[in-house]
Amino acid sequence: GQQVMQIPQYQHVQEGEDFTTYCNSSTTLSNIQWYKQRPGGHPVFLIQLVKSGEVKKQKRLTFQFGEAKKNSSLHITATQTTDVGTYFCAVSGAGSYQLTFGKGTKLSVIP
Amino acid sequence: EAGVAQSPRYKIIEKRQSVAFWCNPISGHATLYWYQQILGQGPKLLIQFQNNGVVDDSQLPKDRFSAERLKGVDSTLKIQPAKLEDSAVYLCASSTGLAGINHRSYNEQFFGPGTRLTVL
Repeated sequence: GQQVMQIPQYQHVQEGEDFTTYCNSSTTLSNIQWYKQRPGGHPVFLIQLVKSGEVKKQKRLTFQFGEAKKNSSLHITATQTTDVGTYFCAVSGAGSYQLTFGKGTKLSVIP
Repeated sequence: EAGVAQSPRYKIIEKRQSVAFWCNPISGHATLYWYQQILGQGPKLLIQFQNNGVVDDSQLPKDRFSAERLKGVDSTLKIQPAKLEDSAVYLCASSTGLAGINHRSYNEQFFGPGTRLTVL
């Protein structure tokens, strides 16, 4: 199946600091989705990226898809305590119907 | 709009016992997924249905796991017999289906609250 690496595994930030998580694949991706899972909760869809070099913004969140469609990033500006949770990327390779989730980046925000 | 429903929310069984989970997707969603999420890891796809047909079950341990989606709506996932390593949260998700030109992208998946299984 599709292999995807997410880094870092954990990130502790002071409230107001920025946060970035990266999703990397060794093969070209068809598309990538990002999900957020709050502690004790279930994954919630954030965004989907399909096009090479695509950049999408949602308030303080910025999502990028690499030019080669092998990597992606999620950047949060000025984190808040409500941003706490684990952020997962989910990817599908070219010609595949299977969506593979990364191991996630767990974000802790210190007030 | 009602979300994805799952039951039970929690289940504790002993190894070698059997267990079944139930999922009711969002009305009108053609695609249904079962995931296994082990603590500290991302969800792992077990099986994907498109209406009542199986699209992908390559990661389903078929010697002990089975799933069905009769009439293309509700679905059940069964484990028989359970092993210690099956302890995990079992998530059901649904979506309207594959999307985009040539169906090369996915619509967003809506997840249910999950069933936390503990095998002793």
